[in-house]
Amino acid sequence: EIVLTQSPATLSLSPGERATLSCRASQSVSSYLAWYQQKPGQAPRLLIYDASNRATGIPARFSGSGSGTDFTLTISSLEPEDFAVYYCQQRKVFGPGTKVDIK
Amino acid sequence: EVQLVESGGGLVQPGGSLRLSCAASGFTFSSYSMNWVRQAPGKGLEWVSYISSSSSTIYYADSVKGRFTISRDNAKNSLYLQMNSLRDEDTAVYYCARGAYSSSSLIVYWGQGTLVTVSS
Repeated sequence: EIVLTQSPATLSLSPGERATLSCRASQSVSSYLAWYQQKPGQAPRLLIYDASNRATGIPARFSGSGSGTDFTLTISSLEPEDFAVYYCQQRKVFGPGTKVDIK
Repeated sequence: EVQLVESGGGLVQPGGSLRLSCAASGFTFSSYSMNWVRQAPGKGLEWVSYISSSSSTIYYADSVKGRFTISRDNAKNSLYLQMNSLRDEDTAVYYCARGAYSSSSLIVYWGQGTLVTVSS
């Protein structure tokens, strides 16, 4: 079974800064990787699918890249509403999450 | 607007049973795969079960295999999760989640979740 590893576990940044989140798969998943955002008390929200495609209504400051085993979610300039936990997912497996909090 | 509304959660003793329901609206339910995903308090997301649009394909996480049963009623626009032999570690918020199309594992929409607490 594929294992997804996310790093860092926590990312402390200020609004306006660039956030770079990593997701590594234990074996190649081609481009079949999604990213979700979850805020406290809310359900997750799909951000990126197939590694680099933004879901409907997702702002352009969110971008995804990668293929094979190494993937990156980039938030180009953090807005106050972007401080949340981010999960990567491949089929039936979720990564452990990266928390982006305010520095 | 896609809406997924879970119900049926609550407090149950270890070894007990519970049936979760998910009422779907705002889309053609019979055309999409569905999932249950759970989240233990303060923890990450754990996929639980998947069912294709026609119920022809069903998958379970190893942690629930043999204890949980997923089903759907396309005529009633509803998804279900029958949970038997519940354990303390099944305590979580359970989310109903819709796939991208009939056989897709990509989860596009999520409900708000229902809390299941297993405790004596």
